[in-house]
Amino acid sequence: GAGVSQSPSNKVTEKGKDVELRCDPISGHTALYWYRQSLGQGLEFLIYFQGNSAPDKSGLPSDRFSAERTGGSVSTLTIQRTQQEDSAVYLCASSRAGTSEETQYFGPGTRLLVL
Amino acid sequence: AQSVSQHNHHVILSEAASLELGCNYSYGGTVNLFWYVQYPGQHLQLLLKYFSGDPLVKGIKGFEAEFIKSKFSFNLRKPSVQWSDTAEYFCAVNATNAGNNRKLIWGLGTSLAVNP
Repeated sequence: GAGVSQSPSNKVTEKGKDVELRCDPISGHTALYWYRQSLGQGLEFLIYFQGNSAPDKSGLPSDRFSAERTGGSVSTLTIQRTQQEDSAVYLCASSRAGTSEETQYFGPGTRLLVL
Repeated sequence: AQSVSQHNHHVILSEAASLELGCNYSYGGTVNLFWYVQYPGQHLQLLLKYFSGDPLVKGIKGFEAEFIKSKFSFNLRKPSVQWSDTAEYFCAVNATNAGNNRKLIWGLGTSLAVNP
């Protein structure tokens, strides 16, 4: 079946502009995660969605970052007033939550470059 | 706070050599453990995982890992590497008592290059 998809695959933007990154999870997966992979810093958790519950935003680095998940499926991560330090690969993962052996499956990522 | 440490940042091997990549974690509670692999130009893929039971787990492509609870370790092994194993390898953990959010805590990754 189809895996997690993300778009765009690459995004170049100017400092100060807003960007939107999209994630389409695996069908039937109720849990969705966003991570960021920065050079030299590894992967870090950003935000978690599960069904209709309030998201866990504890990993968002600043209030310029926000995310939403509409209809329990597609998610959009928005970065406002981008800064150069936002340059990274943004990864989305989904999982079938509620199982004892929950496993996250990743999309190809969006590579963001802020000039 | 949880953390994951991967000891080797860059490893270079010749084909048929044996591989062991170290992974240690810091967390006082029960964890689930994962190894993910990222081949050049591809996205992260699950290599193997440990939730409970037999501490020696086998994954795809001949990889295995052993969970040693007393050492907080989950080292990845392969007896004989191939050129196609050239990739970046990531160790990750999550806590079983973290509620519904099973966010992964990651090591920095190990870049493996296998020379033909």
